[in-house]
Amino acid sequence: KAGVTQTPRYLIKTRGQQVTLSCSPISGHRSVSWYQQTPGQGLQFLFEYFSETQRNKGNFPGRFSGRQFSNSRSEMNVSTLELGDSALYLCASSFYGIAGGPPDTQYFGPGTRLTVL
Amino acid sequence: GENVEQHPSTLSVQEGDSAVIKCTYSDSASNYFPWYKQELGKRPQLIIDIRSNVGEKKDQRIAVTLNKTAKHFSLHITETQPEDSAVYFCAAGGNYQLIWGAGTKLIIKP
Repeated sequence: KAGVTQTPRYLIKTRGQQVTLSCSPISGHRSVSWYQQTPGQGLQFLFEYFSETQRNKGNFPGRFSGRQFSNSRSEMNVSTLELGDSALYLCASSFYGIAGGPPDTQYFGPGTRLTVL
Repeated sequence: GENVEQHPSTLSVQEGDSAVIKCTYSDSASNYFPWYKQELGKRPQLIIDIRSNVGEKKDQRIAVTLNKTAKHFSLHITETQPEDSAVYFCAAGGNYQLIWGAGTKLIIKP
């Protein structure tokens, strides 16, 4: 199976602009999670989507939003970019096929490195 | 809210020695505990995981132990090699969500 893919891989924006990042999960996976990783920092959870519904959300401002399409592909959007939004944005997909079941293994994409000038 | 504490933040060991990283979680409903390795410039990759009905799991030089009563779990790497140098993340999962530790930078000294 093809792995998780993310586009674009690199992005340079200026403050105040908005950006949309895309994530295509492994075929058959229905859950997509998004993370922000800054240099030397851990994985900060943004949100998780399952079957086009946001199921969990981290502690990020409303400028960060996402959505999931019927084919499980997901996008995240950041509006009114700030310098502090410069980071590696990772998405991860998992099966989560059983409602109420335990978390499943997450497989990460290569990430999108966003630089805000 | 739920959290996972990971220690140490940096660990330096001599090549060939063992390394141990510990995580403590707060949510007693957690039932899935994966460990991920992230090499410089690469994506995190699962190296081993354990579920709550098991106390220990081994895969060659890597092992994970789980103590549900104390709510902590540990990663053990034996006979460390240069390619083990990376950042290691633990996580605790339940109810669809994984809660992540802050990461441990493992340095293998030649």
